Amino acid sequence: GAVVSQHPSWVICKSGTSVKIECRSLDFQATTMFWYRQFPKQSLMLMATSNEGSKATYEQGVEKDKFLINHASLTLSTLTVTSAHPEDSSFYICSARPLAGANVLTFGAGSRLTVL
Amino acid sequence: AQSVTQLGSHVSVSEGALVLLRCNYSSSVPPYLFWYVQYPNQGLQLLLKYTSAATLVKGINGFEAEFKKSETSFHLTKPSAHMSDAAEYFCAVSYSGNTPLVFGKGTRLSVIA
Repeated sequence: GAVVSQHPSWVICKSGTSVKIECRSLDFQATTMFWYRQFPKQSLMLMATSNEGSKATYEQGVEKDKFLINHASLTLSTLTVTSAHPEDSSFYICSARPLAGANVLTFGAGSRLTVL
Repeated sequence: AQSVTQLGSHVSVSEGALVLLRCNYSSSVPPYLFWYVQYPNQGLQLLLKYTSAATLVKGINGFEAEFKKSETSFHLTKPSAHMSDAAEYFCAVSYSGNTPLVFGKGTRLSVIA
């Protein structure tokens, strides 16, 4: 089956630094990847839609300069949290839609970011 | 606009009892509906999906859900709960193959021995 890998699964960083999270589709090509953010004991909030070879589409209220998304290939999308602050601490989950698949998303295992 | 409402943020059942997790959707077009499960500190795993085929959908781990257009519902059931079913369950909707999923707030299922 389709597998999406996220790395790192856990990251702790100091306030003001930047953190990059990778999302890879291991056995399929994904033209579209989605980045979600999940606060403790809450649902998933869509942050942005990442399309291979083009700029990401951000949801209202998401700062595109703070959450940089790059989808350079059909198997890799990255989310960079720039100048991280404690309020950016969260669980970030990516998902990918197979290139030739139906409308099912495969989710990564998530990345927990803690900003000190 | 699409949305899903999950009734009950927390459901507790005894081991062996029926599991019923409720989901109602709002969509202006025929929806695609999904149930995902999330274990602590993990990503989401697809349980089952409805994509306009059979209204009764069977998923993994003994779960199933029935699409009822008249009630705009897609409730998740399992005849007999197991301890390993304890997790967070999310209902989600989209209206086409190219749109992202909109998630409900989730329902935490606890299973009591």
